[in-house]
Amino acid sequence: EPEVTQTPSHQVTQMGQEVILRCVPISNHLYFYWYRQILGQKVEFLVSFYNNEISEKSEIFDDQFSVERPDGSNFTLKIRSTKLEDSAMYFCASSALVSGANVLTFGAGSRLTVL
Amino acid sequence: GESVGLHLPTLSVQEGDNSIINCAYSNSASDYFIWYKQESGKGPQFIIDIRSNMDKRQGQRVTVLLNKTVKHLSLQIAATQPGDSAVYFCAAASGSARQLTFGSGTQLTVLP
Repeated sequence: EPEVTQTPSHQVTQMGQEVILRCVPISNHLYFYWYRQILGQKVEFLVSFYNNEISEKSEIFDDQFSVERPDGSNFTLKIRSTKLEDSAMYFCASSALVSGANVLTFGAGSRLTVL
Repeated sequence: GESVGLHLPTLSVQEGDNSIINCAYSNSASDYFIWYKQESGKGPQFIIDIRSNMDKRQGQRVTVLLNKTVKHLSLQIAATQPGDSAVYFCAAASGSARQLTFGSGTQLTVLP
């Protein structure tokens, strides 16, 4: 069964450092997403990406965040200068282009710990 | 904006019993709903979805019911098994927006 893969599984960083989280979406999917989940809280939308550009983003996704699809397979989330409150599990997801439905397939997540 | 909530943060059921997990949403424009299961240390896993032009949809051992009048949906799991123990999230989307707004999750514990 096709899956979304994420690396690293866990990253520890110092406050103020840059972090890049990587994702390989399902190969025939066209939409890509980043969500985050602070420990014990709900899954929160960050950004969606389609046709090589951001299609939607939330208030959380401020200027410290950026996404990129550097090649045909990878989708990355960069946090330019990490803050303590960025500590969370970050989930990448992808979905196919289906009218009226949007089943996101999630990766296992990358746990980010900011010290 | 959309907010999606769940009625109970935890639910314990006996193995073999049926489970019902409830969810309420606020945005009357929401037209697509989806249930995810999240096991410890893993990403959310798709269970079942439903569009607003339906009020019931069945899968394997799961049924989703949608009541648009009161903006409520529920997930029913038949003959609950130990492997069903997880956190269950409902999520909603509206119109052409692709983003899903998630509820806060219900921890389902299946007792032997």
